[in-house]
Amino acid sequence: SYELTQPPSVSVSPGQTARITCSADALTSQSSYWYQQKAGQAPVLVIYKDSERPSGIPERFSGSRSGTTVTLTISGVQAADEADYYCQSPDSGGTYVLFGGGTKLTVL
Amino acid sequence: EVQLVESGGGLVKPGESLRLSCAASGFTFSSYNLNWVRQAPGKGLDWVASISTGGTYKYYADSVKGRFTISRDNAKTSLYLQMDSLRAEDTALYYCVRDGPPRMGTRSFDIWGQGTMVTVSS
Repeated sequence: SYELTQPPSVSVSPGQTARITCSADALTSQSSYWYQQKAGQAPVLVIYKDSERPSGIPERFSGSRSGTTVTLTISGVQAADEADYYCQSPDSGGTYVLFGGGTKLTVL
Repeated sequence: EVQLVESGGGLVKPGESLRLSCAASGFTFSSYNLNWVRQAPGKGLDWVASISTGGTYKYYADSVKGRFTISRDNAKTSLYLQMDSLRAEDTALYYCVRDGPPRMGTRSFDIWGQGTMVTVSS
Protein backbone atom coordinates (compact mmCIF):
# COMPACT_ATOMS: atom_id res chain seq x y z
CA SER A 1 0.00 0.00 0.00
CA TYR A 2 1.02 3.62 -0.22
CA GLU A 3 0.08 6.99 1.20
CA LEU A 4 -1.04 10.31 -0.22
CA THR A 5 0.19 13.31 1.75
CA GLN A 6 -1.48 16.72 1.66
CA PRO A 7 -0.78 19.86 3.71
CA PRO A 8 -3.45 20.23 6.42
CA SER A 9 -4.19 23.82 5.50
CA VAL A 10 -3.62 26.51 2.88
CA SER A 11 -4.63 30.15 3.24
CA VAL A 12 -4.88 32.75 0.49
CA SER A 13 -6.49 36.14 -0.03
CA PRO A 14 -9.28 36.60 -2.57
CA GLY A 15 -7.97 36.91 -6.11
CA GLN A 16 -4.70 35.12 -5.34
CA THR A 17 -3.66 31.66 -6.50
CA ALA A 18 -3.95 28.67 -4.21
CA ARG A 19 -1.83 25.57 -4.78
CA ILE A 20 -2.58 22.34 -2.93
CA THR A 21 -0.11 19.49 -3.30
CA CYS A 22 -0.57 15.76 -2.95
CA SER A 23 2.52 13.60 -2.71
CA ALA A 24 2.60 9.85 -3.14
CA ASP A 25 5.29 7.78 -1.48
CA ALA A 26 5.30 5.37 -4.41
CA LEU A 27 5.07 5.96 -8.12
CA THR A 28 2.06 4.40 -9.82
CA SER A 29 0.75 4.68 -13.34
CA GLN A 30 -2.71 5.56 -12.13
CA SER A 31 -4.30 8.96 -12.51
CA SER A 32 -5.19 11.20 -9.62
CA TYR A 33 -8.42 12.97 -8.78
CA TRP A 34 -9.42 15.99 -6.70
CA TYR A 35 -12.60 16.57 -4.72
CA GLN A 36 -14.01 19.71 -3.14
CA GLN A 37 -16.10 19.35 0.00
CA LYS A 38 -17.86 22.38 1.40
CA ALA A 39 -19.10 22.37 4.97
CA GLY A 40 -22.06 20.06 5.44
CA GLN A 41 -22.07 18.90 1.82
CA ALA A 42 -21.03 15.81 -0.09
CA PRO A 43 -17.74 15.92 -2.02
CA VAL A 44 -17.70 17.09 -5.64
CA LEU A 45 -15.21 15.93 -8.28
CA VAL A 46 -13.29 18.97 -9.57
CA ILE A 47 -10.35 17.35 -11.41
CA TYR A 48 -10.03 13.90 -13.01
CA LYS A 49 -7.11 12.16 -14.73
CA ASP A 50 -4.63 14.56 -13.10
CA SER A 51 -5.65 17.64 -15.08
CA GLU A 52 -9.09 17.30 -16.69
CA ARG A 53 -12.03 19.37 -15.50
CA PRO A 54 -15.59 17.96 -15.37
CA SER A 55 -18.31 20.00 -17.01
CA GLY A 56 -19.60 22.72 -14.73
CA ILE A 57 -16.33 23.18 -12.87
CA PRO A 58 -14.93 26.72 -13.31
CA GLU A 59 -11.81 27.18 -15.43
CA ARG A 60 -9.97 28.61 -12.45
CA PHE A 61 -9.57 25.02 -11.20
CA SER A 62 -6.66 23.17 -12.80
CA GLY A 63 -4.51 20.16 -12.04
CA SER A 64 -0.99 19.07 -12.86
CA ARG A 65 1.41 16.24 -12.16
CA SER A 66 5.16 16.14 -11.71
CA GLY A 67 6.65 12.82 -10.79
CA THR A 68 4.90 11.52 -7.68
CA THR A 69 3.32 14.88 -6.80
CA VAL A 70 0.04 16.19 -8.13
CA THR A 71 -1.10 19.75 -7.60
CA LEU A 72 -4.50 21.40 -7.58
CA THR A 73 -4.29 25.05 -8.56
CA ILE A 74 -7.12 27.50 -8.01
CA SER A 75 -6.52 30.78 -9.79
CA GLY A 76 -8.31 33.95 -8.75
CA VAL A 77 -9.59 32.37 -5.54
CA GLN A 78 -13.08 33.37 -4.47
CA ALA A 79 -14.77 33.17 -1.08
CA ALA A 80 -16.95 30.39 -2.51
CA ASP A 81 -13.84 28.23 -2.96
CA GLU A 82 -13.35 27.89 0.80
CA ALA A 83 -13.63 24.16 1.42
CA ASP A 84 -11.76 20.97 2.18
CA TYR A 85 -9.95 19.47 -0.80
CA TYR A 86 -9.02 15.80 -1.12
CA CYS A 87 -6.77 14.07 -3.60
CA GLN A 88 -7.48 10.45 -4.49
CA SER A 89 -5.80 7.75 -6.46
CA PRO A 90 -6.29 4.00 -6.94
CA ASP A 91 -3.53 1.49 -6.36
CA SER A 92 -1.50 0.23 -9.29
CA GLY A 93 -4.11 -2.44 -10.04
CA GLY A 94 -6.99 0.03 -9.97
CA THR A 95 -8.85 -1.95 -7.35
CA TYR A 96 -8.20 -0.23 -4.02
CA VAL A 97 -8.70 3.47 -3.53
CA LEU A 98 -6.75 5.86 -1.34
CA PHE A 99 -7.59 9.40 -0.28
CA GLY A 100 -5.19 12.02 0.94
CA GLY A 101 -5.82 13.42 4.40
CA GLY A 102 -7.43 16.57 3.03
CA THR A 103 -6.45 20.24 2.90
CA LYS A 104 -8.58 22.99 4.36
CA LEU A 105 -8.50 26.02 2.08
CA THR A 106 -9.17 29.25 3.92
CA VAL A 107 -9.92 32.43 1.99
CA LEU A 108 -8.74 35.31 4.14
CA GLU B 1 -31.35 14.00 -12.80
CA VAL B 2 -28.62 11.60 -11.72
CA GLN B 3 -29.18 10.79 -8.08
CA LEU B 4 -27.99 8.48 -5.32
CA VAL B 5 -30.02 8.35 -2.09
CA GLU B 6 -28.73 6.44 0.92
CA SER B 7 -30.80 5.07 3.78
CA GLY B 8 -30.55 2.64 6.66
CA GLY B 9 -28.21 4.45 9.01
CA GLY B 10 -28.81 4.67 12.73
CA LEU B 11 -27.54 4.06 16.24
CA VAL B 12 -26.35 0.54 17.07
CA LYS B 13 -24.30 -1.10 19.81
CA PRO B 14 -20.83 -2.56 19.26
CA GLY B 15 -21.04 -6.02 17.77
CA GLU B 16 -24.43 -5.42 16.17
CA SER B 17 -25.30 -5.33 12.47
CA LEU B 18 -26.77 -2.77 10.09
CA ARG B 19 -27.67 -2.79 6.39
CA LEU B 20 -27.32 0.35 4.30
CA SER B 21 -29.14 0.87 1.04
CA CYS B 22 -28.59 3.25 -1.84
CA ALA B 23 -31.31 3.94 -4.41
CA ALA B 24 -30.06 5.16 -7.78
CA SER B 25 -31.90 7.01 -10.51
CA GLY B 26 -31.25 9.02 -13.65
CA PHE B 27 -28.62 6.77 -15.24
CA THR B 28 -28.11 3.22 -16.51
CA PHE B 29 -27.34 1.65 -13.14
CA SER B 30 -26.02 -1.65 -14.45
CA SER B 31 -23.28 0.08 -16.48
CA TYR B 32 -21.40 1.57 -13.55
CA ASN B 33 -19.15 0.29 -10.80
CA LEU B 34 -20.22 1.54 -7.38
CA ASN B 35 -18.61 2.28 -4.05
CA TRP B 36 -19.15 3.08 -0.40
CA VAL B 37 -17.00 5.82 1.09
CA ARG B 38 -17.25 6.94 4.70
CA GLN B 39 -16.29 9.99 6.70
CA ALA B 40 -15.96 9.95 10.47
CA PRO B 41 -17.09 13.14 12.24
CA GLY B 42 -14.51 15.86 11.62
CA LYS B 43 -12.25 13.50 9.68
CA GLY B 44 -11.30 12.84 6.07
CA LEU B 45 -12.69 10.55 3.39
CA ASP B 46 -12.15 6.81 3.73
CA TRP B 47 -12.89 4.35 0.93
CA VAL B 48 -14.78 1.30 2.22
CA ALA B 49 -15.73 -1.01 -0.65
CA SER B 50 -16.33 -1.29 -4.39
CA ILE B 51 -18.41 -3.55 -6.60
CA SER B 52 -18.27 -4.16 -10.34
CA THR B 53 -21.17 -3.65 -12.74
CA GLY B 54 -22.44 -7.21 -12.55
CA GLY B 55 -21.53 -7.75 -8.92
CA THR B 56 -18.82 -10.31 -9.65
CA TYR B 57 -15.86 -8.34 -8.37
CA LYS B 58 -15.86 -6.88 -4.88
CA TYR B 59 -13.04 -5.08 -3.09
CA TYR B 60 -12.78 -3.99 0.52
CA ALA B 61 -10.57 -1.78 2.65
CA ASP B 62 -8.52 -3.82 5.10
CA SER B 63 -10.35 -2.15 8.01
CA VAL B 64 -13.70 -3.71 7.03
CA LYS B 65 -12.67 -6.91 5.24
CA GLY B 66 -14.48 -9.90 6.70
CA ARG B 67 -17.08 -7.74 8.47
CA PHE B 68 -18.74 -5.75 5.66
CA THR B 69 -20.32 -7.09 2.47
CA ILE B 70 -21.14 -4.96 -0.57
CA SER B 71 -23.84 -6.08 -2.97
CA ARG B 72 -26.14 -4.71 -5.65
CA ASP B 73 -29.45 -5.46 -7.33
CA ASN B 74 -29.40 -4.11 -10.89
CA ALA B 75 -33.11 -4.85 -11.37
CA LYS B 76 -33.92 -2.63 -8.40
CA THR B 77 -31.12 -0.12 -9.21
CA SER B 78 -29.92 -0.41 -5.64
CA LEU B 79 -26.60 -0.78 -3.84
CA TYR B 80 -26.23 -2.28 -0.38
CA LEU B 81 -23.71 -2.53 2.42
CA GLN B 82 -24.19 -5.21 5.06
CA MET B 83 -22.19 -4.25 8.12
CA ASP B 84 -21.62 -6.90 10.79
CA SER B 85 -19.59 -6.87 14.01
CA LEU B 86 -19.71 -3.10 14.09
CA ARG B 87 -17.13 -1.21 16.11
CA ALA B 88 -17.02 2.30 17.53
CA GLU B 89 -14.48 3.23 14.86
CA ASP B 90 -17.06 2.47 12.16
CA THR B 91 -19.01 5.54 13.28
CA ALA B 92 -19.22 7.74 10.19
CA LEU B 93 -21.34 9.25 7.45
CA TYR B 94 -21.53 6.62 4.71
CA TYR B 95 -21.69 7.83 1.10
CA CYS B 96 -22.86 5.87 -1.91
CA VAL B 97 -20.59 6.83 -4.82
CA ARG B 98 -20.55 6.11 -8.55
CA ASP B 99 -17.42 5.35 -10.56
CA GLY B 100 -17.36 7.69 -13.52
CA PRO B 101 -17.39 6.57 -17.17
CA PRO B 102 -14.16 5.18 -18.70
CA ARG B 103 -13.26 8.51 -20.30
CA MET B 104 -12.81 9.92 -16.80
CA GLY B 105 -10.20 7.35 -15.91
CA THR B 106 -9.98 4.55 -13.40
CA ARG B 107 -11.88 5.10 -10.16
CA SER B 108 -13.10 8.66 -10.69
CA PHE B 109 -15.91 9.19 -8.20
CA ASP B 110 -18.20 11.44 -10.21
CA ILE B 111 -21.55 11.17 -8.40
CA TRP B 112 -22.02 11.14 -4.61
CA GLY B 113 -25.11 10.72 -2.48
CA GLN B 114 -25.76 12.88 0.58
CA GLY B 115 -24.84 10.10 2.98
CA THR B 116 -26.44 8.19 5.85
CA MET B 117 -25.07 8.40 9.38
CA VAL B 118 -24.02 5.30 11.29
CA THR B 119 -23.27 5.62 14.99
CA VAL B 120 -21.83 2.70 16.94
CA SER B 121 -22.00 3.29 20.67
CA SER B 122 -22.93 1.44 23.82
